[in-house]
Amino acid sequence: DTAVSQTPKYLVTQMGNDKSIKCEQNLGHDTMYWYKQDSKKFLKIMFSYNNKELIINETVPNRFSPKSPDKAHLNLHINSLELGDSAVYFCASSQDGATYEQYFGPGTRLTVT
Amino acid sequence: AQSVTQLDSHVSVSEGTPVLLRCNYSSSYSPSLFWYVQHPNKGLQLLLKYTSAATLVKGINGFEAEFKKSETSFHLTKPSAHMSDAAEYFCVVSDYARGYQKVTFGTGTKLQVIP
Repeated sequence: DTAVSQTPKYLVTQMGNDKSIKCEQNLGHDTMYWYKQDSKKFLKIMFSYNNKELIINETVPNRFSPKSPDKAHLNLHINSLELGDSAVYFCASSQDGATYEQYFGPGTRLTVT
Repeated sequence: AQSVTQLDSHVSVSEGTPVLLRCNYSSSYSPSLFWYVQHPNKGLQLLLKYTSAATLVKGINGFEAEFKKSETSFHLTKPSAHMSDAAEYFCVVSDYARGYQKVTFGTGTKLQVIP
């Protein structure tokens, strides 16, 4: 069974559209994250959720909104997509605490045209 | 303040020779340190982690790293590179302060293995 899954794997859309990326983890972890990886492979943390509460918001535009219906899911909704949003988005999860590693999903490659 | 610096953006080694990927960190608290590997078009996978136990940490695929507090370093090594080691490697620092966890990723080191 896949530990952290994301859908879709690829997403091609036009500027101005609204899209969502879904993430699910079956590890029973308390914390989930969204990361953005740009073309230079730089990883930037966007959000983390612990027990359905947002605990970090790394100054991302408010066009991005995380939605967590339950502990196992953290979806990312993006409004009014821009060219600069093109990137690979990774979902991850971990147990709560600094000593625990994160488990990453396979990524969603978003291309905005 | 928390930060992590990967000193080399690209490292190229010949197959069968040692690998050294350098990482320096800064943390105001007792940090945990991690190395992740990302193969092309894949997600990140944990190689190893340090969490205030043994300073020499062994990971998967023959990798190891040594935590040196005096040098604030956590360099990743492998005695003999294999073609399958070609990937992007990320050093990560994590600490827990004022009620929440902070995680910072390094900018990555691309390892090229030459046959």
